[in-house]
Amino acid sequence: GAVVSQHPSRVICKSGTSVKIECRSLDFQATTMFWYRQFPKKSLMLMATSNEGSKATYEQGVEKDKFLINHASLTLSTLTVTSAHPEDSSFYICSAQLGSGRVVREQYFGPGTRLTVT
Amino acid sequence: AQSVTQPDIHITVSEGASLELRCNYSYGATPYLFWYVQSPGQGLQLLLKYFSGDTLVQGIKGFEAEFKRSQSSFNLRKPSVHWSDAAEYFCAVGLGGYQKVTFGTGTKLQVIP
Repeated sequence: GAVVSQHPSRVICKSGTSVKIECRSLDFQATTMFWYRQFPKKSLMLMATSNEGSKATYEQGVEKDKFLINHASLTLSTLTVTSAHPEDSSFYICSAQLGSGRVVREQYFGPGTRLTVT
Repeated sequence: AQSVTQPDIHITVSEGASLELRCNYSYGATPYLFWYVQSPGQGLQLLLKYFSGDTLVQGIKGFEAEFKRSQSSFNLRKPSVHWSDAAEYFCAVGLGGYQKVTFGTGTKLQVIP
């Protein structure tokens, strides 16, 4: 159980275009999902916390107008990279958290999406 | 704010040897602690977690970790490493009563024959 999928696994896009990445919890409902960015040989950088039915909470330094997050249902969150530039190339990982409320629970991670902007 | 330190960036062990990956955290209260493993180009898989109770926790794939409050540590151990254990390992800490989790910088494990 607790499987999280991401689509696509790899995407190449041209500079200036927008790319949407989907994150789905397949066998559980996730009130909260998280979006991370991982640079080569670096740890995960939390970009934003996505809460179902409400606006996402962005970490300091993350442009909310560039990285649009929508969490329209309890099983789906999307990250749209708008007007992508080569520096947006990275590995994007989502996670979904079991349970709800203010109790910390483990996160279950998707397999990641490799974005390359040319 | 909480922080997590993994002092070893890269560790190499022989197959069959024992393994210990270090993790230290900084937080005023008892945190929630996790170890995750990431294979190349993949997402993260939860190995084990500590929320409360017994300070020695057992995880998947033969891993265990011990929470030591006096040392602010949560080191990951395995008595006999297999070649398939080669991966990147991340320690993470979550605050009680809050959902955000902070990850350490990771330790890359290499296993040699």
